Amino acid sequence: GENVEQHPSTLSVQEGDSAVIKCTYSDSASNYFPWYKQELGKRPQLIIDIRSNVGEKKDQRIAVTLNKTAKHFSLHITETQPEDSAVYFCAASGTSYDKVIFGPGTSLSVIP
Amino acid sequence: SQTIHQWPATLVQPVGSPLSLECTVEGTSNPNLYWYRQAAGRGLQLLFYSVGIGQISSEVPQNLSASRPQDRQFILSSKKLLLSDSGFYLCAWSAGRYEQYFGPGTRLTVT
Repeated sequence: GENVEQHPSTLSVQEGDSAVIKCTYSDSASNYFPWYKQELGKRPQLIIDIRSNVGEKKDQRIAVTLNKTAKHFSLHITETQPEDSAVYFCAASGTSYDKVIFGPGTSLSVIP
Repeated sequence: SQTIHQWPATLVQPVGSPLSLECTVEGTSNPNLYWYRQAAGRGLQLLFYSVGIGQISSEVPQNLSASRPQDRQFILSSKKLLLSDSGFYLCAWSAGRYEQYFGPGTRLTVT
């Protein structure tokens, strides 16, 4: 089955700097890659996603890139703000089943 | 618009007691439904998912079970809780293989 790895597990950046979180997946048939943000004590919220026919997608300060050959994808946050502090999860979904496999998460701290 | 509800929001139960958590979705038909558990400071563990009424797939063998008695209702149960069942239980729905939306969660403490 699908396995998703995520690095780093914790990340601390200064406000205004960029943050990058990287994920790898094992199932070459996966074609959907969402990213979720979870603030302390709250539910995960979908912040951006990318599908296998697209190499990059951007939404304001957030961007995702996908390299299907290498089976890895990344989340880039520019001009970080304290409210970006949260746990971020990457995930991958294959074609033959209706489920999403999540990475272990990255705890991002943005220092004012 | 679609809305997902979970209850209760918090629950404290003794070891060996039964459990029933409920999840309902409004504003959509025939959603895919999912149960996840999140231990403190950990990731999301998929427990069960359902693509239709009466169709349940189990991801992790344990003392939990799930049922889908109605199209938009998903129930997580246990006959006897263990200490290790403590965690944050999240229900989620999707319209297919793509975007999943989570409910507010139930925080379960087994004492």
